[in-house]
Amino acid sequence: QQQVKQSPQSLIVQKGGIPIINCAYENTAFDYFPWYQQFPGKGPALLIAIRPDVSEKKEGRFTISFNKSAKQFSLHIMDSQPGDSATYFCAASSNYQLIWGAGTKLIIKP
Amino acid sequence: DAGITQSPRHKVTETGTPVTLRCHQTENHRYMYWYRQDPGHGLRLIHYSYGVKDTDKGEVSDGYSVSRSKTEDFLLTLESATSSQTSVYFCAIMSGGTTEAFFGQGTRLTVV
Repeated sequence: QQQVKQSPQSLIVQKGGIPIINCAYENTAFDYFPWYQQFPGKGPALLIAIRPDVSEKKEGRFTISFNKSAKQFSLHIMDSQPGDSATYFCAASSNYQLIWGAGTKLIIKP
Repeated sequence: DAGITQSPRHKVTETGTPVTLRCHQTENHRYMYWYRQDPGHGLRLIHYSYGVKDTDKGEVSDGYSVSRSKTEDFLLTLESATSSQTSVYFCAIMSGGTTEAFFGQGTRLTVV
């Protein structure tokens, strides 16, 4: 019930393409769904987040789509760039506890 | 960047020796967390703290202990290091007003 399942494990996309990373959860008590971006040798950093009363949130080229009934959410990166190459983690939060997906290593080819 | 510092950044230690990792914050945030990151496992919570001297176990707490005697410092101790504890350790902080976590740069620990 506490798991967050993330897919795919790795993803290679051509520059300008739209990578999509998916996450699914079980616990309906989760009330905050962030995505974190991690570059090699660095700690994860918050990229974008959504609350379950909203179905979509956009910040620049990054969009979260949220499907409450299916208990799924996804990250879309528009017009992807080589600088977006990183590991992306989804998470779900309740009461200041974050449950993490296993991560997706994204490579954007020039 | 959030004021969070981990030390040391790298450490090699022998099996059976005690090891202490330090997390120091200058943000006065209430919540502090220790995670380990291993390939294919994402971030797994070891222990967390919700205030001075208030700590609790995470999903992978066996073999680890923590202490928080001051708001700004959260120590992670491996009482007797094992090779399975070779990992990258991250400290994170979170204020009581938001749910955004800020991470340190990580400590790469190798147990030989």
